[in-house]
Amino acid sequence: GQNIDQPTEMTATEGAIVQINCTYQTSGFNGLFWYQQHAGEAPTFLSYNVLDGLEEKGRFSSFLSRSKGYSYLLLKELQMKDSASYLCAGLDSNYQLIWGAGTKLIIKP
Amino acid sequence: ETGVTQTPRHLVMGMTNKKSLKCEQHLGHNAMYWYKQSAKKPLELMFVYNFKEQTENNSVPSRFSPECPNSSHLFLHLHTLQPEDSALYLCASSQGGDNTGELFFGEGSRLTVL
Repeated sequence: GQNIDQPTEMTATEGAIVQINCTYQTSGFNGLFWYQQHAGEAPTFLSYNVLDGLEEKGRFSSFLSRSKGYSYLLLKELQMKDSASYLCAGLDSNYQLIWGAGTKLIIKP
Repeated sequence: ETGVTQTPRHLVMGMTNKKSLKCEQHLGHNAMYWYKQSAKKPLELMFVYNFKEQTENNSVPSRFSPECPNSSHLFLHLHTLQPEDSALYLCASSQGGDNTGELFFGEGSRLTVL
């Protein structure tokens, strides 16, 4: 079966760095998405990786290793507003999105 | 106007009621989606419409009935729901219907079935 695994919850300190991991098992692979969802709000797109390597967008970076079926989202200089759920989703060979259950990130002062 | 708007934001209904959720997108996209989001579970795709045609129905019970009158509007008609249908229902849109592009979500309709 197809599956996306990510931690249920993580806690980090304001100003620090946190890495949220995601492992995927999909039938074929056409890329991996990360979305951010603040409580009570719409999920919003953060990144899409289809090639191996690190892509940086300001304080957020996303990494992909296709050979390991692994991705991570790296958040630097954490701010209180980064408290949210982070959703990982893999795109399989049929272009179906397989979603993880999300990682709730709690930022403490 | 914000990108994707959903109404109502909150809905409480009994198991014998009939209600509808509405979604409107102002982005000029061709594809619209209904997702179900339950606590600590992955997003569940329910329906996909591409150019107003339903292209996917993920084995959703018939008590959920979608309607897409045009590319900008999507409805989810609800009748004789069960308490386990209580969840956040998210509408999304995208330029194409093949999931290769970014999804734009609405803020959701929080449904409680008593």
